[in-house]
Amino acid sequence: GQNIDQPTEMTATEGAIVQINCTYQTSGFNGLFWYQQHAGEAPTFLSYNVLDGLEEKGRFSSFLSRSKGYSYLLLKELQMKDSASYLCAVMDSNYQLIWGAGTKLIIKP
Amino acid sequence: DAMVIQNPRYQVTQFGKPVTLSCSQTLNHNVMYWYQQKSSQAPKLLFHYYDKDFNNEADTPDNFQSRRPNTSFCFLDIRSPGLGDAAMYLCATSRDTSGGVTQYFGPGTRLTVL
Repeated sequence: GQNIDQPTEMTATEGAIVQINCTYQTSGFNGLFWYQQHAGEAPTFLSYNVLDGLEEKGRFSSFLSRSKGYSYLLLKELQMKDSASYLCAVMDSNYQLIWGAGTKLIIKP
Repeated sequence: DAMVIQNPRYQVTQFGKPVTLSCSQTLNHNVMYWYQQKSSQAPKLLFHYYDKDFNNEADTPDNFQSRRPNTSFCFLDIRSPGLGDAAMYLCATSRDTSGGVTQYFGPGTRLTVL
């Protein structure tokens, strides 16, 4: 079967750095997405990785290792508005998105 | 400007009473998706349209139907809602279904079944 694993919940302090991990086992691989979802709202696109390495976009960076079936989302200079769930999703060989359940990130002052 | 619009944002229905959720898009995307998301769970794909071609997921109950009368609009019909159908329903669109293409989501409709 296809599986995406992420921690259920993480807590971090405002101004700090946090890394949210995602491991996956899917039928084929056509890229990995990270989405942010605030409570009661729709997911919004953050990043996409298809090649190994780090993609940086402002305070957010995403890393991929295809050989390890592993990705992480790195959030720097945390702000209170970063409190949200972060969903990892992998596009499989059929170009379907397989979603993780999300990591709820709690930011404390 | 809103690109994927869902109406209503909140919908309350009674057990067994049919309900229709709507989605519209201004992106002129070929693909429209319907997801069901329950609290603290991953979004679950119900079905999607590529243009007029309907693609149903194998485990989507027959109680869920969809219509796409034109490029801009897509509807989700729940014929006989049960208590287990209470969830957030997300509409998303994408240009096509190839690798790396981003899905854009609407704000969702939260369905309550009494």
